[in-house]
Amino acid sequence: DGGITQSPKYLFRKEGQNVTLSCEQNLNHDAMYWYRQDPGQGLRLIYYSQIVNDFQKGDIAEGYSVSREKKESFPLTVTSAQKNPTAFYLCASSIARGQPNEKLFFGSGTQLSVL
Amino acid sequence: AQSVTQPDIHITVSEGASLELRCNYSYGATPYLFWYVQSPGQGLQLLLKYFSGDTLVQGIKGFEAEFKRSQSSFNLRKPSVHWSDAAEYFCAVKGRNTGNQFYFGTGTSLTVIP
Repeated sequence: DGGITQSPKYLFRKEGQNVTLSCEQNLNHDAMYWYRQDPGQGLRLIYYSQIVNDFQKGDIAEGYSVSREKKESFPLTVTSAQKNPTAFYLCASSIARGQPNEKLFFGSGTQLSVL
Repeated sequence: AQSVTQPDIHITVSEGASLELRCNYSYGATPYLFWYVQSPGQGLQLLLKYFSGDTLVQGIKGFEAEFKRSQSSFNLRKPSVHWSDAAEYFCAVKGRNTGNQFYFGTGTSLTVIP
């Protein structure tokens, strides 16, 4: 079945450590996104990518980094510069970003906590 | 500035009762409108969307939503709630121009009691 796979489901970070969240899709979608979700808040856009080897900052990119070396993969690194990383992270994809009839498809998320 | 407001943080309904979740938006022009549902610890699933045409749209799982331009609203309804409908519901908007991004509301948590 086509879909978006996020791993791991749960992740723990120590102080000063960088951690990487994986996102893989087999939907042949061009656009991929990372959102952060905090309790009682909506989704906030961290980074997005429209095509391979290209990505753009979203609303809350500070303390995060991404890469897009393959169409299927869009990993997110939470760096030590992110002082409040505890959140639920959602990866999404769509056929093409910004198209009028664009729809987002979501992975099942990664819960990141600080030890 | 674009924004999406879901005024009800939490709603409790009895199984079999009707449901209405409210969504109001602020946008320069009529955006595309969406409702997503999220089960605990899971990603978001698209329930329904409004792009154009009939202002009453049907979605999956028996949900429907009505777009009211005059009220800038896109409320979600279901005539008879099932226990499996307990989840978090998010309203989202997206501009009609190429390159516009999605904006999400803060969500409404639904509890269904037997």
